[in-house]
Amino acid sequence: GESVGLHLPTLSVQEGDNSIINCAYSNSASDYFIWYKQESGKGPQFIIDIRSNMDKRQGQRVTVLLNKTVKHLSLQIAATQPGDSAVYFCAEIFSGGYNKLIFGAGTRLAVHP
Amino acid sequence: NAGVTQTPKFRVLKTGQSMTLLCAQDMNHEYMYWYRQDPGMGLRLIHYSVGEGTTAKGEVPDGYNVSRLKKQNFLLGLESAAPSQTSVYFCASSEPGRNTEAFFGQGTRLTVV
Repeated sequence: GESVGLHLPTLSVQEGDNSIINCAYSNSASDYFIWYKQESGKGPQFIIDIRSNMDKRQGQRVTVLLNKTVKHLSLQIAATQPGDSAVYFCAEIFSGGYNKLIFGAGTRLAVHP
Repeated sequence: NAGVTQTPKFRVLKTGQSMTLLCAQDMNHEYMYWYRQDPGMGLRLIHYSVGEGTTAKGEVPDGYNVSRLKKQNFLLGLESAAPSQTSVYFCASSEPGRNTEAFFGQGTRLTVV
């Protein structure tokens, strides 16, 4: 069935280092892949998305990479800051399925000074 | 800007009781979603709506009903609450042309005893 999952449940990094959060997906029919950030006690917040016909997209301090061959998605955060500490979710949109937004399990990013 | 507002924020129910969670958005969005989030897990889609008067089942619809009588409101009902429905519930909304960027409410923490 459709699923979006993550390799690592927890990632610890030093402040200033780069972070890489990974995600595996199983459904090749998705039109978009998305990353969300959820801080403690809050709802998820959109970070960046990538269309399925692209392999890289850059935002402010973040880069998303999509490897369709191995069905892998990653989020790279440059110069990680304490404010980046949160749980990060990958998600996907199936436009053929009424535009359902489906989430993966999440990775916790802990940034240490 | 209120964005997406969920009421109530907290609720304790006894098994078998019923309740309705209200989601209101002031962004004139077409799409609205209800998710549940269990500890250490991602968000699972319960029901969603692509416009006023329409609803559709998500990944885990059993035990829940929804209604979208007005564009700005999306109601989630539990007719007979069960302990398995103890969770944090999130509502979200988005626009069709930007449906990767969903805006989430702060969540409703529901405990069924």
